[in-house]
Amino acid sequence: EAEVAQSPRYKITEKSQAVAFWCDPISGHATLYWYRQILGQGPELLVQFQDESVVDDSQLPKDRFSAERLKGVDSTLKIQPAELGDSAMYLCASSLGGLALGGELFFGEGSRLTVL
Amino acid sequence: EDQVTQSPEALRLQEGESSSLNCSYTVSGLRGLFWYRQDPGKGPEFLFTLYSAGEEKEKERLKATLTKKESFLHITAPKPEDSATYLCAVTGNYGGSQGNLIFGKGTKLSVKP
Repeated sequence: EAEVAQSPRYKITEKSQAVAFWCDPISGHATLYWYRQILGQGPELLVQFQDESVVDDSQLPKDRFSAERLKGVDSTLKIQPAELGDSAMYLCASSLGGLALGGELFFGEGSRLTVL
Repeated sequence: EDQVTQSPEALRLQEGESSSLNCSYTVSGLRGLFWYRQDPGKGPEFLFTLYSAGEEKEKERLKATLTKKESFLHITAPKPEDSATYLCAVTGNYGGSQGNLIFGKGTKLSVKP
C-alpha cells in the first residue's frame, strides 16, 4: 500500500538551531500539505502545494519557516532559527486532486520536533 | 469563522460497550466532513468522508453520520484495538476552509478489556 514518507521521525535540537524535515508523497499525488500538530490539539495547516507551486502559505511564519517542492514531487520544510514554541509534530499529507475536487488527504507518520 | 468542536474530550469504555462521539461544525458551505483515527505518535489515518446531510458510512465497528450541524461516529461493541484519538475535520467552499482541512481537537477513546 502506497504511503507518505517522512524523515526524520524524531528530532531534538537546541533553540536558535536550524532544522529540516523531508516528505515524499504518494506517487502521482499533485497536492502536498504540511501541517503542525501541538500535543492535545488538531493539526493546523502551514503550507499547501499544487505541484511545485505554493497555493496557501498564509499560516506559515515566514520569518523563520520556509518550504519548497522544487520538482513537484518531494518537499522540504525548514525552520531557522528554531524556538521553544516550535516543539510539535510536523505532518505531511498528500492528495491526488486536492480537497477542492473531493479528494481525501493521506498523512505520513510525522516528524516529532523537540526544541530545548 | 470556520470551527470544529468535538465532544467528549476523552471517553473510557468497557469492551463491548457501544457509544458515540460528536463533532459539531460551523463552516461556510460544507464541502466535506472527514473522520480520522490517530494512534499515539503516528499520523492521522483516514476513515470516512461525508458530503451531505443524511449520509452514512460504515467500516467494521464504526459508523459515521452527518446532519447540517454535526456528525456522529458510532462505535458498536468496541474492542481494545479501537483505542485511539478520533479527529473530525471539515473543508468548505469559502474562506479559510476552502481547499484546507479545519480539525477539531479530537476525542481520545480508551477501551478496556
